[in-house]
Order: sequence, then C-alpha cells, then structure tokens
Amino acid sequence: QQPVQSPQAVILREGEDAVINCSSSKALYSVHWYRQKHGEAPVFLMILLKGGEQKGHDKISASFNEKKQQSSLYLTASQLSYSGTYFCGTESGSGSRLTFGEGTQLTVNP
Amino acid sequence: DGGITQSPKYLFRKEGQNVTLSCEQNLNHDAMYWYRQDPGQGLRLIYYSQIVNDFQKGDIAEGYSVSREKKESFPLTVTSAQKNPTAFYLCASSISGAGHGNTIYFGEGSWLTVV
Repeated sequence: QQPVQSPQAVILREGEDAVINCSSSKALYSVHWYRQKHGEAPVFLMILLKGGEQKGHDKISASFNEKKQQSSLYLTASQLSYSGTYFCGTESGSGSRLTFGEGTQLTVNP
Repeated sequence: DGGITQSPKYLFRKEGQNVTLSCEQNLNHDAMYWYRQDPGQGLRLIYYSQIVNDFQKGDIAEGYSVSREKKESFPLTVTSAQKNPTAFYLCASSISGAGHGNTIYFGEGSWLTVV
C-alpha cells in the first residue's frame, strides 16, 4: 500500500519553514526520506525506525509516530538548495518492500 | 569511489525492440532493485534481488526481465511486451534485503525513450 504524502506541492521564500507529511494505512516498521532534483537520483536524507524517534540532519529533521502510522519531515530556515521533490518510503515489517509515496514538490524562491 | 553505475544515461528504443539497461555496484551490497519513475510521479518497483541467482517481481514487472548472475550486477531488459516504456529508470542497492530498515542507495538513472 502506497503511503500518502501531503501537501503535493509547496512554495516557500528563502528562510521560511515547511512540513511534509507521510501517512500509511498499515503499521510501519520504518520510514525513509529522500530528496530528488529533476533528472537526478534520489538522495537519502534519513531513516526512522519504529519507536517514535526524531532525527535531525542540519536544518532538516523528521519525526515518526508509530501509533498514528505517520512521519513528518521538518525543513527550517529553508535554503534555495532545498528545492526538489521529497519522497517518503515506508516498510511495514520484516521482509516487506520499501514503497514510495508520490512525492512533494518543494520550491524555495529568493 | 564506491557507488552504483547505470548505463547508458540516455537510450532510444524503436517499437518492437528489446533494450537492456546496465547496473553495476561496488558497494558489496546483497540487495539490488529496479524502479521506474514517470514524470511527476513516485517510484514504482519493477524487480528486486536479495541474493545472487534469485530475484522477485515488484509491482510492475510485466514487460521487463532481469538477471542476477553476479553480486555486483543487475541488468534490466525492457522487452517489446512493455507497451509504454518511456520513463526514467533507477537502479538501487542496499546492504541486505528489504524490510530491515536498510538504507537504499540509488544510481544516477537512465532515460529511456521510445521513438
């Protein structure tokens, strides 16, 4: 079952914050976040395992609410380089495959 | 440098032709994957392999075939049975199979266009 991402697109000015959500109808074992620039490979940002942890990566962090079967990616003080499409991928248990959402297109303008 | 190499970057296919996309990794990863991406869409799994000489169908395997004769290589053949093959194809690998929270790393991708 494909996870659902929201919003589908967001436009920011440099320095603004954004939140991207990823939710699943199935219990989750892990959530993976990637950023992709057009025509390039997705770049790994972070992985969160069940346990409700939160991770940070410079000014990008994420949380994982196992009970709600959802994860959120937080981008603070956005930079122009943050522009791209953000994908979440979810695993629902041992032996399951990573399934990706349809992506959230983030545009950061000067 | 360790990584995943896909070739060619751009490929054109005539109607009725089979084409093969190459994927090589030197990360010593056991698991390898092929994803298809259509414009403005997410990543859909075509095939994956968790060990040499074994592979499984993903969500959209029809019209595609793979082999895994060597740990480092996982070529994808797009056959003439695939009616709408124009897309961006991504090869990926992870240290071991899916479902264990392993990070999946992607190659640079191959653009396939039907002419």
